[in-house]
Amino acid sequence: EPEVTQTPSHQVTQMGQEVILRCVPISNHLYFYWYRQILGQKVEFLVSFYNNEISEKSEIFDDQFSVERPDGSNFTLKIRSTKLEDSAMYFCASRESYSGPFSYNEQFFGPGTRLTVL
Amino acid sequence: QKEVEQNSGPLSVPEGAIASLNCTYSDRGSQSFFWYRQYSGKSPELIMFIYSNGDKEDGRFTAQLNKASQYVSLLIRDSQPSDSATYLCAVNRGGSQGNLIFGKGTKLSVKP
Repeated sequence: EPEVTQTPSHQVTQMGQEVILRCVPISNHLYFYWYRQILGQKVEFLVSFYNNEISEKSEIFDDQFSVERPDGSNFTLKIRSTKLEDSAMYFCASRESYSGPFSYNEQFFGPGTRLTVL
Repeated sequence: QKEVEQNSGPLSVPEGAIASLNCTYSDRGSQSFFWYRQYSGKSPELIMFIYSNGDKEDGRFTAQLNKASQYVSLLIRDSQPSDSATYLCAVNRGGSQGNLIFGKGTKLSVKP
């Protein structure tokens, strides 16, 4: 069964360093998302990406964050200068298509990357 | 104002009982609603999707939606210890590209 994969599973970095989190969405999927979950907190939407551009982003997704689809398979989230409060589990998700809120089109989540900022 | 609210629990039920999980949302523009299950340290996995008022059943799971009351619930019949997890309510607001707004989740514990 196709699945979303994420690497690395755990990333430890020093405050102020840049990190790149990598995701390989399911191959025929067109919509891509990043979410994060701080330990013990809710899953929070960061950004959605379609047709090689950001389609929507949350208030969390400030200038320190960027996303890219550098080739036909990878989808990356870059944090330019990490802060302690960026420590969280980051989930990538993808869906095949989106034709409105009443269409059943499951958003598949990857296993997550746990980011620890020291 | 929180967009999606859930009782954080923990909710403890005996094996074989019905577990009832509740969720309210603040944005009347929300159009579709999801229940995800999340085991500790794992990613969310979809259980149910509903967008029409009323009940939707899938096996042991029943989702209920009441848009007038801005209320979504999930019933789990014949609860099993393997159902022990955190259950996340999520909404898809109209106009968004399918991004989901999650509640904090309700932790369910099913005791053998």
